[in-house]
Amino acid sequence: DIQMTQSPSTLSASVGDRVTITCRASQSIDSWLAWYQQIPEKAPKLLIYKASSLEGGVPSRFSGSESGTEFTLTISSLQPDDFATYYCQQYYTYPLTFGGGTKVEIK
Amino acid sequence: EVQVVESGGGLVQPGESLRLSCAASGFTFSDYWMGWVRQAPGRGLEWVANINQDGSEKHYVDSVKGRFTISSDNAKNSLYLQMNSLRVEDTAVYYCARRSQLYKFFDYWGQGTLVTVSS
Repeated sequence: DIQMTQSPSTLSASVGDRVTITCRASQSIDSWLAWYQQIPEKAPKLLIYKASSLEGGVPSRFSGSESGTEFTLTISSLQPDDFATYYCQQYYTYPLTFGGGTKVEIK
Repeated sequence: EVQVVESGGGLVQPGESLRLSCAASGFTFSDYWMGWVRQAPGRGLEWVANINQDGSEKHYVDSVKGRFTISSDNAKNSLYLQMNSLRVEDTAVYYCARRSQLYKFFDYWGQGTLVTVSS
């Protein structure tokens, strides 16, 4: 199985901060990576697919990038609605696997 | 508007069975793969199973193989998860999710239904 390792597990930031979350795959997954946002008690929401493609309706402050097996989600200017937990998911092969999550907290 | 709504969760004892349902609307159900993803209390997301448009192809995470069965009914726009021989570690919120038409990520998720396995 492909392991997805996210870091950090928790991140404290302020409104307006630039935030970066990293996800590392245990083997090559090409660009087959998605990012989701989950607000407590809510369903996950798709933000980015194919490593850097923004889902429709998602604010442009969210962006994704990749370098080999390392993937990055960046929020350019953190907004109050962005305090949530973020997950990466590889969809290169079955079993589909998620990272452990990164909780973005208010500093 | 795309909607998927889960039902059927509840409290069961270890070894018992439960069937989850997911009612889909706002899209042509028969055009999409569908899946189940679960989240144990305070934990991360875990993919459980996927099914293709006509039910001829199914995939499962190893931990549920032989115990869980995913199925769908295109006439009823519904997805199901039959869960047998439930274990304490199956306790989780189970989300029904629509898979993207082109790739294996999920573009719409339901609100989830809680399954608690406890004696």
